[in-house]
Amino acid sequence: DIQMTQSPSSVSASVGDRVTITCRASQGLNSRLAWYQQKPGKAPKVLIYGASSLQSGVPSRFSGSGSGTDFTLTISSLQPEDFATYYCQQSDSFPLTFGGGTKVDVK
Amino acid sequence: QVQLQESGPGLMKPSQTLSLTCTVSGGSVSSGNYYWSWIRQPAGKRLEWIGRSYTSGSTDYNPSLKSRVTISLETSKNQFSLKLNSVTAADTAVYYCARETNYGHIAYWGQGTRVTVSS
Repeated sequence: DIQMTQSPSSVSASVGDRVTITCRASQGLNSRLAWYQQKPGKAPKVLIYGASSLQSGVPSRFSGSGSGTDFTLTISSLQPEDFATYYCQQSDSFPLTFGGGTKVDVK
Repeated sequence: QVQLQESGPGLMKPSQTLSLTCTVSGGSVSSGNYYWSWIRQPAGKRLEWIGRSYTSGSTDYNPSLKSRVTISLETSKNQFSLKLNSVTAADTAVYYCARETNYGHIAYWGQGTRVTVSS
């Protein structure tokens, strides 16, 4: 299985901050990398797919970048509704696997 | 707008077979270039992909669960189902049904159903 490692596991930030989350895969992914946002008691919501493509309806303050084994999710200006846990997920090979999550909370 | 809704028992005993159903509205389980998937999340842990069925009925399973899992489409009811045999406490989790694109990301999720395995 491809192991997905996210860092940091948590980050404290304020509204308006720029937040960057990193995801590292144990092998190259051919850009088959997605990012999700999950709030407590809710299902995940896809933000980014194909490493850098913004899902329809997702605010443009979210962006994704990277290739090979190293990928980044950036929130350019954190909004109150962005406090949540973020997960990366690879679909380059079976089984699909997820990162351990990064919790963004209030500083 | 595609909507998915899981249903099934919330409490089970060890060694029983877990059966969950996902009812789909706003789309057909038997058409389109999509996969119908099951994913689970133990409390406080990362998401785990269980497996999927293509609209044709062909399936893929997580090797860690393959010996115990069956995913099938029920086209007449526009539903798909998950069966997990011989459950243990380690199978306690929130189970999500979802629609996966052919590119591998998951754009539509059910709300999730909590399953607890306890004697």
